[in-house]
Amino acid sequence: GAVVSQHPSRVICKSGTSVKIECRSLDFQATTMFWYRQFPKQSLMLMATSNEGSKATYEQGVEKDKFLINHASLTLSTLTVTSAHPEDSSFYICSARTSGGLANIQYFGAGTRLSVL
Amino acid sequence: EDQVTQSPEALRLQEGESSSLNCSYTVSGLRGLFWYRQDPGKGPEFLFTLYSAGEEKEKERLKATLTKKESFLHITAPKPEDSATYLCAVPGRNQAGTALIFGKGTTLSVSS
Repeated sequence: GAVVSQHPSRVICKSGTSVKIECRSLDFQATTMFWYRQFPKQSLMLMATSNEGSKATYEQGVEKDKFLINHASLTLSTLTVTSAHPEDSSFYICSARTSGGLANIQYFGAGTRLSVL
Repeated sequence: EDQVTQSPEALRLQEGESSSLNCSYTVSGLRGLFWYRQDPGKGPEFLFTLYSAGEEKEKERLKATLTKKESFLHITAPKPEDSATYLCAVPGRNQAGTALIFGKGTTLSVSS
């Protein structure tokens, strides 16, 4: 299957700092990438849809000024958590969607565990 | 409202004890049903996509089936390494038009 790389896998930061998470599709081009958040023992909750070359579309209740998304190329999307606070601590996962022959399957990165002190 | 419900929430099996996981969905115009496996602290790993009622797909000890209202993930003679959370998802409506709606998952524990 297709490979999606997410970095870093874990980050610990102080309250008020910003954290950038990268998501790369390694062996395919992804015009659309997705960012999810997952709390312990809960399922994945979609935060935003990222389209290459255009502004991200955020789900209801997700602050676009707090979670900045940039999708500058067909293989890279970034999520920046600005002025992080303890309540932002969570597991963030990105995915990239294939098209055509692989029938719009979403492949996921390994996730980033964010801990804000 | 598009919804995905998985049952049971947790399942404990002995090695070799076959069983099935259920995923029921309500969505207008199904455009595929996806099964993923998620290990603790990792992102979901794609397993199967099913598109039409009656379709079946197999991979090692796993077989996924689809009806008009639900999907089953059958696990035959499971091994401890099959222990994971299994997630079911369907494409649904979101702000951008298309994204996967996930169920809460079934956490499978297989003991030797």
